[in-house]
Amino acid sequence: DAGVIQSPRHEVTEMGQEVTLRCKPISGHDYLFWYRQTMMRGLELLIYFNNNVPIDDSGMPEDRFSAKMPNASFSTLKIQPSEPRDSAVYFCASSSGLAGTYEQYFGPGTRLTVT
Amino acid sequence: GQNIDQPTEMTATEGAIVQINCTYQTSGFNGLFWYQQHAGEAPTFLSYNVLDGLEEKGRFSSFLSRSKGYSYLLLKELQMKDSASYLCAVRDAGNMLTFGGGTRLMVKP
Repeated sequence: DAGVIQSPRHEVTEMGQEVTLRCKPISGHDYLFWYRQTMMRGLELLIYFNNNVPIDDSGMPEDRFSAKMPNASFSTLKIQPSEPRDSAVYFCASSSGLAGTYEQYFGPGTRLTVT
Repeated sequence: GQNIDQPTEMTATEGAIVQINCTYQTSGFNGLFWYQQHAGEAPTFLSYNVLDGLEEKGRFSSFLSRSKGYSYLLLKELQMKDSASYLCAVRDAGNMLTFGGGTRLMVKP
């Protein structure tokens, strides 16, 4: 398996623009997670899905952030409008209960810079 | 909610043993994970504990005491490539992970 795939790997945009981050989970995984990582706040969970349904979005900072999972193989995280404080690395991760541990596999991340 | 504490930085010598501690206070507990993260890369899974005791996996071992809200990651025969951040994470009754701030380990020759 190719692992979790994220695109783009790097994104530089101007304040006020819309940003869309994409994620393809590992095939067969039924959980998908979006995280944000910064030096100041570490790794924070934004939202997670189970079987394409959002379960907990309490980590989403504000209404400017939205996430969707239209099918089992694709999810998006959208920021509109973007602000400089949104600059961070955004990770997508997926997991499955088949192994019993629900360990999460992380994608390579998208490094977002908002100027 | 979850509160997870681990040291910010540690330094050790190549070939030595290092122990990275993690304490947690949680409203629900369904397992503790350790992840390794090299600079500029994604976290990768190292170990999982849900019952008390020691889990050994090669040079790495992880220990859990649920009554004390305490875990440690033990790294033996340190190698330069072990220089990385080590993240402790607690899973709640659902499937949500809360991560600690991470411990940056520097291995010196």
